[in-house]
Amino acid sequence: DAGVTQSPTHLIKTRGQHVTLRCSPISGHKSVSWYQQVLGQGPQFIFQYYEKEERGRGNFPDRFSARQFPNYSSELNVNALLLGDSALYLCASSLGNYNEQFFGPGTRLTVL
Amino acid sequence: GQQVMQIPQYQHVQEGEDFTTYCNSSTTLSNIQWYKQRPGGHPVFLIQLVKSGEVKKQKRLTFQFGEAKKNSSLHITATQTTDVGTYFCAGPRLDSSYKLIFGSGTRLLVRP
Repeated sequence: DAGVTQSPTHLIKTRGQHVTLRCSPISGHKSVSWYQQVLGQGPQFIFQYYEKEERGRGNFPDRFSARQFPNYSSELNVNALLLGDSALYLCASSLGNYNEQFFGPGTRLTVL
Repeated sequence: GQQVMQIPQYQHVQEGEDFTTYCNSSTTLSNIQWYKQRPGGHPVFLIQLVKSGEVKKQKRLTFQFGEAKKNSSLHITATQTTDVGTYFCAGPRLDSSYKLIFGSGTRLLVRP
């Protein structure tokens, strides 16, 4: 079975631009979470979606938004990019809200 | 706010030596999860502990959950070069089990 997939793998943007990151969960998983990981730190929770509804939101500005589609795939959108948004963005899927998280390979975003 | 701290930040050991990382939460956790992230990789789930005082073993790895459910530890016996990576603990926030808070991680380096 395929694991969690994310696209693109790398992305370079300039300040003020917007970006859309995509995630496909493991087949059968209905929960998708997004995390931001800055070099040398642990993943920081951004959003969780379950059955297409937002179930949790971390301490991130409104420039960050996400959605989950009927096939349980998900998008993370970031508007008005700042230099500080440069990070590895991880998507994780799980069977339910309390289960282990299966992480994708991540999208490395660089903002210049 | 709720914090999850890990010590030490780094540990450099000789192959064959033991290794322990400690995780402390500012508040009581309903459960705790442990993940391993290899250099350049993504977090991979190792285990979840739920019960107070619980101890679980996976080959050379021993995981403990404190009696008060506010701390946890991971002990590796006789480290190998394949153990290299960063070990993270993670626990759900009290106000919502949907938000997973990761510790700062302990980076393990093993000298062959």
